[in-house]
Amino acid sequence: SQELEQSPQSLIVQEGKNLTINCTSSKTLYGLYWYKQKYGEGLIFLMMLQKGGEEKSHEKITAKLDEKKQQSSLHITASQPSHAGIYLCGADGGSGGSNYKLTFGKGTLLTVNP
Amino acid sequence: DAGITQSPRYKITETGRQVTLMCHQTWSHSYMFWYRQDLGHGLRLIYYSAAADITDKGEVPDGYVVSRSKTENFPLTLESATRSQTSVYFCASTGPLGSYEQYFGPGTRLTVT
Repeated sequence: SQELEQSPQSLIVQEGKNLTINCTSSKTLYGLYWYKQKYGEGLIFLMMLQKGGEEKSHEKITAKLDEKKQQSSLHITASQPSHAGIYLCGADGGSGGSNYKLTFGKGTLLTVNP
Repeated sequence: DAGITQSPRYKITETGRQVTLMCHQTWSHSYMFWYRQDLGHGLRLIYYSAAADITDKGEVPDGYVVSRSKTENFPLTLESATRSQTSVYFCASTGPLGSYEQYFGPGTRLTVT
């Protein structure tokens, strides 16, 4: 089965600082999903990556998938308190970017101090 | 309101009791999922359903039963609750294959005493 390891487990940054969260897979990633979760709430979809070397951005958040498709990173530029929460990566268990049977990492807890 | 809802949001029950968690979505999405979230384990798939009357096991199905008689509803039943089933349960749904985003409900926090 596929395993996803996220690092760091938790992160505390000062507002305005940049940060990176990593997600490493034990197998080739055919679909890598990034979600954000606020405490006590459900997950919100951020981005999905499929191709080696792919990079997507949304506002101040950029996600990348490496060429070998075994590692993804999520980078936040000029962090704000609204970025605080738990970030989870999820991997598609199939080989064609299917959207079900996702395996998730354990999450990275981000705290942004004003 | 449109979206995906779960009920109850909080539940305390005793060991051995049967508990049903409800999930309802208004998009007529084909796929629906049940996850549990635990400290140290992250989010794990319990069961999923590709359509009405079609369900399949996920990573941690033992002790749970699901049904899906209508597209919009996907209840999760704990037939005889155990303390190890204390967790936060999330329901999610998504459209046809090729729709990448899973939409998550707000979660049900279940405590088994």
